[in-house]
Amino acid sequence: GAVVSQHPSWVICKSGTSVKIECRSLDFQATTMFWYRQFPKQSLMLMATSNEGSKATYEQGVEKDKFLINHASLTLSTLTVTSAHPEDSSFYICSARITGIYEQYFGPGTRLTVT
Amino acid sequence: AQSVTQLGSHVSVSEGALVLLRCNYSSSVPPYLFWYVQYPNQGLQLLLKYTTGATLVKGINGFEAEFKKSETSFHLTKPSAHMSDAAEYFCAVSPAHSGGYQKVTFGTGTKLQVIP
Repeated sequence: GAVVSQHPSWVICKSGTSVKIECRSLDFQATTMFWYRQFPKQSLMLMATSNEGSKATYEQGVEKDKFLINHASLTLSTLTVTSAHPEDSSFYICSARITGIYEQYFGPGTRLTVT
Repeated sequence: AQSVTQLGSHVSVSEGALVLLRCNYSSSVPPYLFWYVQYPNQGLQLLLKYTTGATLVKGINGFEAEFKKSETSFHLTKPSAHMSDAAEYFCAVSPAHSGGYQKVTFGTGTKLQVIP
């Protein structure tokens, strides 16, 4: 149980275009989802926390107009990288939390390459 | 404020040898502590966690960790390394929660290499 999926697993896009990444909790309802960014050989950096039906809370230094997060249902959160640039190339990982359980379940990640 | 320090970005052990990955934390309040494993191009999988109770925590795949408050440490061990243990390991800390979710802070990771 507690499986989280991400789609796509790998995407290449041209500079200036937008990319949407989906994060789904497959067998549970996730009231809270998290989006992380991981650069090569580095740790995970929390970008934002999203709660179903409300606006995401962004970490300091993360541009909310560039990284749009929508958590429209209890099983789906999306991250849209708008007007992507090469420096946005990274590994994006989402996680989800079940209300009342102090544990995050991680998705497999999405590798974004902006050319 | 909280932080995690993982000593050694790379650790190499022989197959069958003891695995010891070090983690020290800093937290102004009682912590919850976690160890995660990440295989290439994959997300994180929880190995084990300490919240309350017994300070020696056993996890999956034969790993265990001991919470030592006096040393502010949460080192990960496994008696005998297996080739499949080769991966990146992350230690993480969050404040013990009294209600509501608290932010988790990750260490910089330790890449474990297992030599046949």
